[in-house]
Amino acid sequence: ETGVTQTPRHLVMGMTNKKSLKCEQHLGHNAMYWYKQSAKKPLELMFVYNFKEQTENNSVPSRFSPECPNSSHLFLHLHTLQPEDSALYLCASSQVAGGSYEQYFGPGTRLTVT
Amino acid sequence: AQRVTQPEKLLSVFKGAPVELKCNYSYSGSPELFWYVQYSRQRLQLLLRHISRESIKGFTADLNKGETSFHLKKPFAQEEDSAMYYCALSGLGGNKLVFGAGTILRVKS
Repeated sequence: ETGVTQTPRHLVMGMTNKKSLKCEQHLGHNAMYWYKQSAKKPLELMFVYNFKEQTENNSVPSRFSPECPNSSHLFLHLHTLQPEDSALYLCASSQVAGGSYEQYFGPGTRLTVT
Repeated sequence: AQRVTQPEKLLSVFKGAPVELKCNYSYSGSPELFWYVQYSRQRLQLLLRHISRESIKGFTADLNKGETSFHLKKPFAQEEDSAMYYCALSGLGGNKLVFGAGTILRVKS
């Protein structure tokens, strides 16, 4: 598998469930990102990890909990979500070393909260 | 605050016609601007960035700091250009991207 992969591709969960989204990049990058894409808003950056350290939390509610165990893997743990959290969640990766680099996106996980 | 505005949700043109997708930004520092594209059933991907000053698939974009704009242009649209186009901004040297709402480009035959 090449590029950025995300699993699952589709997820339906109730408001009391706990689930996790997984992202893996096979590009040797050192930065990873979570974005939320909903119908009513532009693509929103949620979290940024540089060299496994979280460097950005864009005022995301605590019911979303990211985890970056190494530079190739990124998780988004979900618990007690709300219906308005239903959206496409995109993962991306890039190099980062004193310059802006192209971000490579995964296919996304379509999340529906019931 | 960083903000990117794409005023058109949908732009429909005929094949062979010129295309201009508008993008305006708000940023107090030195920005880096990008255009990302998402073709049907494909993932979001970089089309071009202002720093590279290159033409990709016939598209060009010039950063106009006076007008705070980064419009995407192509002289002759092709049907395969039909896609969703996003303008994005980051601080120079940074990796935090702010996206516009996107513009759907439809090229009709």
